[in-house]
This record gives sequence, structure tokens and C-alpha cells, in this order.
Amino acid sequence: SQQGEEDPQALSIQEGENATMNCSYKTSINNLQWYRQNSGRGLVHLILIRSNEREKHSGRLRVTLDTSKKSSSLLITASRAADTASYFCATVLSSGSARQLTFGSGTQLTVLP
Amino acid sequence: DAGVTQSPTHLIKTRGQQVTLRCSPKSGHDTVSWYQQALGQGPQFIFQYYEEEERQRGNFPDRFSGHQFPNYSSELNVNALLLGDSALYLCASSFRDGGHTYEQYFGPGTRLTVT
Repeated sequence: SQQGEEDPQALSIQEGENATMNCSYKTSINNLQWYRQNSGRGLVHLILIRSNEREKHSGRLRVTLDTSKKSSSLLITASRAADTASYFCATVLSSGSARQLTFGSGTQLTVLP
Repeated sequence: DAGVTQSPTHLIKTRGQQVTLRCSPKSGHDTVSWYQQALGQGPQFIFQYYEEEERQRGNFPDRFSGHQFPNYSSELNVNALLLGDSALYLCASSFRDGGHTYEQYFGPGTRLTVT
């Protein structure tokens, strides 16, 4: 079963606009990560936010984490056509030594030129 | 520095056959995880190998097995293939340093089609 669920499932915006994707999860986590996948290829790690962090930035990416609501959001500012991809959130649980990633079902982002 | 590599890129098999997929981790990494990604879905964790042993396993049947070699590379074996095994198989490597770094680096995947 998948721990995280992304919302929306699909998002279409114009180049230059901002894109916001949300992720909800069910159990306590050690950290939450966001990945990008282009056309069924391998996943590219974007950003990791730990459970004791609330916000993190990396270039045009901004991630927030609300552990009380068990949710996270990924904001991509000033989007470009090259940002067109599927975006997944993945959680690492806080219990035990497991380091497996549990992925959501993803958001398909299309940036129109 | 080569990243995670996987072979083959694509594979077509018939129901009932067996398949072996291969993965070489990123230089300096000692842990390999395997994921299955069905079309339109997020990746699902199959298992993780460290020090040549399976350390963690997801909800997959025993038809799925693996191996890790002394050079940290890994194989995923699937026996008695079913149509439902058609998917993109992703390998991810990481460094198990006892700290709190859980960043995993993914390979490009192997696309398996079962007919």
C-alpha cells in the first residue's frame, strides 16, 4: 500500500507560473522526500525535509512539512517547459531501522510553453 | 563518477519464464534497494540488500528474490512470470552510514514486458 497521496493527480500550467503539489501521509515519518520522473525513466531526487523541519528551499523549489496535519507541499516557482514531469513524494518511516521509501501515486505536471 | 546503472534497458518475456535484472550502485554506496513501478503508479518497495543480505522486504511474493555481491552490485530475480509483473523495475543505491541520511539515487530502470 502507498503511504503518501499526492494532490492533484494532474496539473497543467503556463510557463512562468508557479506550480504547487501536495502530499498527505498516514504514519509518523523520519523524513519526506520529493522526486521527479521524466517519461517513465529513473527518479531524480529533488529535496529532503526532516520531520523536525518546517520549510526548505532549493533553487526554484520550496518544500513545506506540517507533521501535525501529516502533509507536505512542493512549490515550483517560475516554471519552465523542462519542469514537465511526474512528481512523487516519498516517506521514510520513523520506526525501526527501515530505510525504504514509500511513494505516493504522483502528480503529473505539464508546463505549456 | 558513474551513477546507478541497470541492465538490460528493456526486456520481453513470456508468462512462466524467469528473469534476472542487474544493478550497479553509485560509487561509494553499499546498499541497494529494488522497486517495482506499474504504469501510472508510484514505485513500490520490493526489498533492500546490505552486506550481501536481504535486510527489508516489501509485500512481494517469494517469486521475487535477489542477491548482492561483494562489490555491492545486485540482481533481482523473478520466477514464474505473470502478466502483472510487467512494470518498470528501479534500482536505488545509498550509503548505510548509521547516520540519518536516507537519500537514494535511482538508476534509469529496466522495462519488463510479460506477454
